[in-house]
Amino acid sequence: EADIYQTPRYLVIGTGKKITLECSQTMGHDKMYWYQQDPGMELHLIHYSYGVNSTEKGDLSSESTVSRIRTEHFPLTLESARPSHTSQYLCASSEQAGKETQYFGPGTRLLVL
Amino acid sequence: GEDVEQSLFLSVREGDSSVINCTYTDSSSTYLYWYKQEPGAGLQLLTYIFSNMDMKQDQRLTVLLNKKDKHLSLRIADTQTGDSAIYFCAERAANSGAGSYQLTFGKGTKLSVIP
Repeated sequence: EADIYQTPRYLVIGTGKKITLECSQTMGHDKMYWYQQDPGMELHLIHYSYGVNSTEKGDLSSESTVSRIRTEHFPLTLESARPSHTSQYLCASSEQAGKETQYFGPGTRLLVL
Repeated sequence: GEDVEQSLFLSVREGDSSVINCTYTDSSSTYLYWYKQEPGAGLQLLTYIFSNMDMKQDQRLTVLLNKKDKHLSLRIADTQTGDSAIYFCAERAANSGAGSYQLTFGKGTKLSVIP
């Protein structure tokens, strides 16, 4: 059982609001990821981190930002939410080396009105 | 770059076997994975196979790997309604820009089980 958590699970918010999606894991994993999943099911990597103070942009350009101040915590922030940000956001983590098996959180479903 | 292809939909009758297929392009892939996503949930690791193996069996799940054709399949025996979900194939691929490895996911196959 993977110990990775995301809050909130669901969020409905108005346009222009600032939001932070939380992700934390208790497995001591160095690598963490954020994916955006569109209604057509495909996963898009938007951010990842190799460890504390490391953040990288993923394959899909995103207006969100991330930070990695602690190993266990990888929050994602949208400074000004827009309807185009409506999506499901999945956080994952993996060990630094080895199989790179990623363990996923339950996801945050975001609706921007 | 790396690409992982899957058919988008599969429909089977309860009790039949399901076979979900996947092709990948990175011949240096060392690990290949199958994840399951139920509605409203995150991805759950089902199984993985190391590239020096041809087959891996775990209860009702059988993974077959044809490295020559870069083809991976997941067979679910005696498919149940609880198996209805989206199944993602993924390969561990080199991220040459960062000198590390990442997973590349397929677009997912939606399995519908008819009672």
